[in-house]
Amino acid sequence: AQSVTQLGSHVSVSEGALVLLRCNYSSSVPPYLFWYVQYPNQGLQLLLKYTTGATLVKGINGFEAEFKKSETSFHLTKPSAHMSDAAEYFCAVYQLDGGSEKLVFGKGTKLTVNP
Amino acid sequence: GAVVSQHPSRVICKSGTSVKIECRSLDFQATTMFWYRQFPKQSLMLMATSNEGSKATYEQGVEKDKFLINHASLTLSTLTVTSAHPEDSSFYICSALAGGGGTDTQYFGPGTRLTVL
Repeated sequence: AQSVTQLGSHVSVSEGALVLLRCNYSSSVPPYLFWYVQYPNQGLQLLLKYTTGATLVKGINGFEAEFKKSETSFHLTKPSAHMSDAAEYFCAVYQLDGGSEKLVFGKGTKLTVNP
Repeated sequence: GAVVSQHPSRVICKSGTSVKIECRSLDFQATTMFWYRQFPKQSLMLMATSNEGSKATYEQGVEKDKFLINHASLTLSTLTVTSAHPEDSSFYICSALAGGGGTDTQYFGPGTRLTVL
């Protein structure tokens, strides 16, 4: 079964600084990986996803993530943090299990952006 | 982009009552919808997969008789929490799968905050 580990439940950066949110996955098959963002009391919004092809994936709001098979990682980055980026971020891996399809989520990383 | 709505956004009910939550895909058809539960400061836990016209598939440990799921049309799935108790208080989020499945994107609703007194 696939699993996701997000290192750091809380990350705090200054406005304008680099954002790096870590995600490592465990998968016995080529993974399909996702990053979602959740603002307070809201559902999840897809930031980006990796399925096949280019390993550097660009998403919305200036975020990008790089799939590194050798490191089993899919870290999320943004060159310059904005106050509006403060939210909870979830990494997820697609799992096909006994004919059922589902997303397996990491525990999330709360990003705080300081002025 | 694809939009998923949930109704109600918040509900407060007395212990022992039943609560129905609706999940609608507004501009696309979804043969598959998912129901998640999220506890405070925790990740989403998949409760069940809802397939239009068939019985839902529940995750291990989720009581199917307590969390009734109906997916009667390609744009609507409902979750009914029967005989709700305070421990059922949580944030319930649905998602709808756009496309044929696999790696197609799940679009999430805004969530429903259930508080059982």
